[in-house]
Amino acid sequence: AQKITQTQPGMFVQEKEAVTLDCTYDTSDPSYGLFWYKQPSSGEMIFLIYQGSYDQQNATEGRYSLNFQKARKSANLVISASQLGDSAMYFCAMREGTGNQFYFGTGTSLTVIP
Amino acid sequence: GAGVSQSPSNKVTEKGKDVELRCDPISGHTALYWYRQSLGQGLEFLIYFQGNSAPDKSGLPSDRFSAERTGGSVSTLTIQRTQQEDSAVYLCASTKRLAGIYEQYFGPGTRLTVT
Repeated sequence: AQKITQTQPGMFVQEKEAVTLDCTYDTSDPSYGLFWYKQPSSGEMIFLIYQGSYDQQNATEGRYSLNFQKARKSANLVISASQLGDSAMYFCAMREGTGNQFYFGTGTSLTVIP
Repeated sequence: GAGVSQSPSNKVTEKGKDVELRCDPISGHTALYWYRQSLGQGLEFLIYFQGNSAPDKSGLPSDRFSAERTGGSVSTLTIQRTQQEDSAVYLCASTKRLAGIYEQYFGPGTRLTVT
């Protein structure tokens, strides 16, 4: 089974609107961390936000927030007030507490329309 | 700057040749990862170094791939007898643990093309 599933290959959002990028994960480890990264066309991977499995509150970082639904094993990224510079690939990733690997999804390509 | 650097940025090689890709992590980061990203795909874990511990090589796709990390700093990923399916972007990330979070800092990648 895939550790990380991103079911939206491409998304479009109007500038200044909010958008939700979906991510579901699969693990039996009670301790894990969930990450979102942004990869612009230039290729660098930029860390956006982190959610720990024991965190009680949803993580927020500026315009980014993580909608963490533990029972559903989902960790959706919400970008508020989209900007043209948000157009990029977005990857969800997980690190299990017992392992070294980061597991990445296949990514969602976000296009912000002016 | 103080970021992760990788060299070369681009490498074109003929099938069957060996290549070496270099990663200079952020000073003081004890953990280092290598990933492979094929066109339009997510990141595929290759190998992980943590301090002086034995590396986690579980992601290496074949014995043509090897990596070393000298002095706990610079790392080299070597691909022997390259094949066309090795064409991808190879990303290196150095990692620190801050407040319980393993935060990865990625290099710009090396784009490998095998002709």
